[in-house]
Amino acid sequence: SQTIHQWPATLVQPVGSPLSLECTVEGTSNPNLYWYRQAAGRGLQLLFYSVGIGQISSEVPQNLSASRPQDRQFILSSKKLLLSDSGFYLCAWNTGTGLYEQYFGPGTRLTVT
Amino acid sequence: AQKVTQAQTEISVVEKEDVTLDCVYETRDTTYYLFWYKQPPSGELVFLIRRNSFDEQNEISGRYSWNFQKSTSSFNFTITASQVVDSAVYFCALRRSGSARQLTFGSGTQLTVLP
Repeated sequence: SQTIHQWPATLVQPVGSPLSLECTVEGTSNPNLYWYRQAAGRGLQLLFYSVGIGQISSEVPQNLSASRPQDRQFILSSKKLLLSDSGFYLCAWNTGTGLYEQYFGPGTRLTVT
Repeated sequence: AQKVTQAQTEISVVEKEDVTLDCVYETRDTTYYLFWYKQPPSGELVFLIRRNSFDEQNEISGRYSWNFQKSTSSFNFTITASQVVDSAVYFCALRRSGSARQLTFGSGTQLTVLP
C-alpha cells in the first residue's frame, strides 16, 4: 500500500531564515505530487505540482520554490521566510493514471516569528 | 475557470441530528470529478468520496450519503445521526481537466457536533 510522509511535523523559524520541507511517497511510481498551504485554519491553496522528476509548475508567484530531485520526493523551499509564510503545509499525491483522488500527508505546521 | 463554493462556513448540531453540507461547483468541462474530504483537528485531509460527472446515482456509505445533481451543479453531503467524532472541517473539491489532475477546493465547512 502507499504511504506519504512529511517532515518535520512542526517548525518555528525566524523571519529571514531558510526553509526546507520534505515529502516522500512510498509504494507507487511516477506519482503526481502537490504542495498546498492552508492559512488561517481554512482554505487550501495549491502552491506547486509536479508530474515527473524535475518538472515543477507553480500556481501562485511567491516567496517559495519546489523541487523534485527523485521520483517520490518533493521538497518545498524558501531562501528567506516571511511572516506571511506561516501556515499548515500539506503534501499530496495521486497516480498519473487511474486514481483521480489525491491522498494527503500529515502536514507540517510552520510558524514564522 | 472552475470554482467550488461552500456557502456554509460553520455549522453546529447536537449529536444524533442529521446535517447536510452544501457544495456548488462551476466548470465548463463535460467530464469532471468531484470529491469530499474530511479534515479532523489533527490536520490531515482524509478522502471520503469521488463522484464522476457521468454517474448521477446517489451514494450511501454507513451514516454518510451524497446527493449529486448536475441540473443544479451541486454535490451535497449528508451525515445521518451525527456523532461527536464527525466534528471536523469538510472540503468539497473539483478536479481540473488535464493530466496534472489538480484539485480546486471549496473554502470548507466547519462542522461541530455537540454532545
